Order: sequence, then C-alpha cells, then structure tokens
Amino acid sequence: DTAVSQTPKYLVTQMGNDKSIKCEQNLGHDTMYWYKQDSKKFLKIMFSYNNKELIINETVPNRFSPKSPDKAHLNLHINSLELGDSAVYFCASSHRDRMSSYTFGSGTRLTVV
Amino acid sequence: GENVEQHPSTLSVQEGDSAVIKCTYSDSASNYFPWYKQELGKGPQLIIDIRSNVGEKKDQRIAVTLNKTAKHFSLHITETQPEDSAVYFCAASKNNFNKFYFGSGTKLNVKP
Repeated sequence: DTAVSQTPKYLVTQMGNDKSIKCEQNLGHDTMYWYKQDSKKFLKIMFSYNNKELIINETVPNRFSPKSPDKAHLNLHINSLELGDSAVYFCASSHRDRMSSYTFGSGTRLTVV
Repeated sequence: GENVEQHPSTLSVQEGDSAVIKCTYSDSASNYFPWYKQELGKGPQLIIDIRSNVGEKKDQRIAVTLNKTAKHFSLHITETQPEDSAVYFCAASKNNFNKFYFGSGTKLNVKP
C-alpha cells in the first residue's frame, strides 16, 4: 500500500483553468504538507495542516487554496492557472510533535500551457 | 527565518569512491537535520537524519556529521554504487510545526 498517494501524477492544462490535486496518507500522521519543487529542484513549503487546521501558510498567491476534509487528506485547488505555476507539487505527511521526518508522495507534475 | 545552503550542486564520482555533500544553516535553534534522496520521477525519501544532541550517525555506507558550533552538517557516502546516483537534499528544522527548510540539492552521479 502506498503511504502517501497523490493524484494525478501528471496534469497538463491551459492558462486560466482551475485544477485540483488530491493527496491521501495512510500512515496515521497528524500533519500534512504541500511543497512546490521548481525547475531547479528547489523545494519550498506552501502549506501545512495539523488535524485539519491550517498551521503554515507561506506567501503563496490566493489562487492556491488547500482543503483538508480530515487528517488523512489534504487537497490543493488552484484557480486561474498561470505559466509560472508549472512545477512538481509534492504532498508530505509527518507526526508534528515528534519532530519526525516527512514521508513524501511521488509528486504531481503540473504543466500550464 | 532559516537559510540552508548546500554544496556542491553537482558531484561526479567513480564507483567505489566516497562522496561528501555539505550543508550550512543559519538558525542556531534548528535541532533536527534529515537527508533525503530523490530519484528521477519520484518523491524525496529519507535516508538518514540526525538530532542536535548527536555529533555523528552512521547507517551502513551512509553517515552524517553535525557541527553545531559551526552550524554545518555533512552527508558521507562510502563505496558509492551506480544506484546511489540521485539528487540529495539536506534540511533543517526546529520545534515549530515541523517545518523543514531544504537545501538546493546535490545531483550525485556515480560512474560505473
């Protein structure tokens, strides 16, 4: 069983469209994250949820809206997609209070054309 | 906030040689330092980590050293194999919501 699963793996869409990426973890972790990896491989945190509560919200455009229906799921909705949104988006999870490492999903490669 | 710098950006070694990747961090309150390996088309995977109360940790061919005074930590891979070829990331964190700051990555190429 995949510990952190993201769908879709690839997403190609036109500028201006709205799209969602879904993430689910079956590790029993209480915290989930979205990271963006740009073309130079740099990993930057976007959001973090702990037990459905938003705890980290970096300077990300309002077009990005995370939603956590329960502590095992964290989805990312992006409105009005722009060319600069093209990147690989990684979901991750961890136990917040144990200062533990992340378990990453396999990523969603978003290409905006 | 924390700033993590990683060097080199690319590293090419011959199979069997050792590889060393170095990272520095700016926030003296950081106390947890994981290393991740990212293979092509996959998400980063934890390979080793170290906490600030330890100076060195080893797991088979992989070791990590931490110098808290100088605020730097290093990954050492001995007897490298072609399957070690990947991008390696260091990260630093402290007890604030388990937020990681990642280095910029090192692309390691092990030549057979």
